[in-house]
Amino acid sequence: RKEVEQDPGPFNVPEGATVAFNCTYSNSASQSFFWYRQDCRKEPKLLMSVYSSGNEDGRFTAQLNRASQYISLLIRDSKLSDSATYLCVVNYQAGTALIFGKGTTLSVSS
Amino acid sequence: NAGVTQTPKFRILKIGQSMTLQCTQDMNHNYMYWYRQDPGMGLKLIYYSVGAGITDKGEVPNGYNVSRSTTEDFPLRLELAAPSQTSVYFCASSTRDRNTGELFFGEGSRLTVL
Repeated sequence: RKEVEQDPGPFNVPEGATVAFNCTYSNSASQSFFWYRQDCRKEPKLLMSVYSSGNEDGRFTAQLNRASQYISLLIRDSKLSDSATYLCVVNYQAGTALIFGKGTTLSVSS
Repeated sequence: NAGVTQTPKFRILKIGQSMTLQCTQDMNHNYMYWYRQDPGMGLKLIYYSVGAGITDKGEVPNGYNVSRSTTEDFPLRLELAAPSQTSVYFCASSTRDRNTGELFFGEGSRLTVL
């Protein structure tokens, strides 16, 4: 079983749409969870952390379900500039490296 | 503020050649990492370091070597390049705080082995 699995994508949505990405992780001892964004041919950058209580940053909402080992990212009112690949990232243990999912590609069209 | 700087940005190697990808950071981060990213795939950890003088293997270390003689520098050495090492290589750094989870990446080094 792969450590971090994401929706295969790609997701093609019109501007203004709401889109949700899902991610599952295999190690129940995972401690920290994040969403990164990667633009085409660029380096990944942290989008937001994911907390147990759920957290929101503007149009972006992240949720964590530890019992189901499931993470989600909701994007409301999609913008053209949201077009990118979204990477689900998990940290199992302090001092170890982050584990990245393959990513889900979002394309927002006008 | 330079952040994480990788060189070279692009390189073409012949099979069997060797080279070093350079990585330096100016944020005084203890943790540094090398990842590779193949097309349509996630980032795979090659090696990482938790401080000067300490390195450890990641998920895909074969064919690579690293050293960490200073806090700032974390070069990745490819010995006897093979076509399977054609990839984009990202160096990253972070602080000790595991909860922030923020890795700062370099812009990547695109390597082609022919």
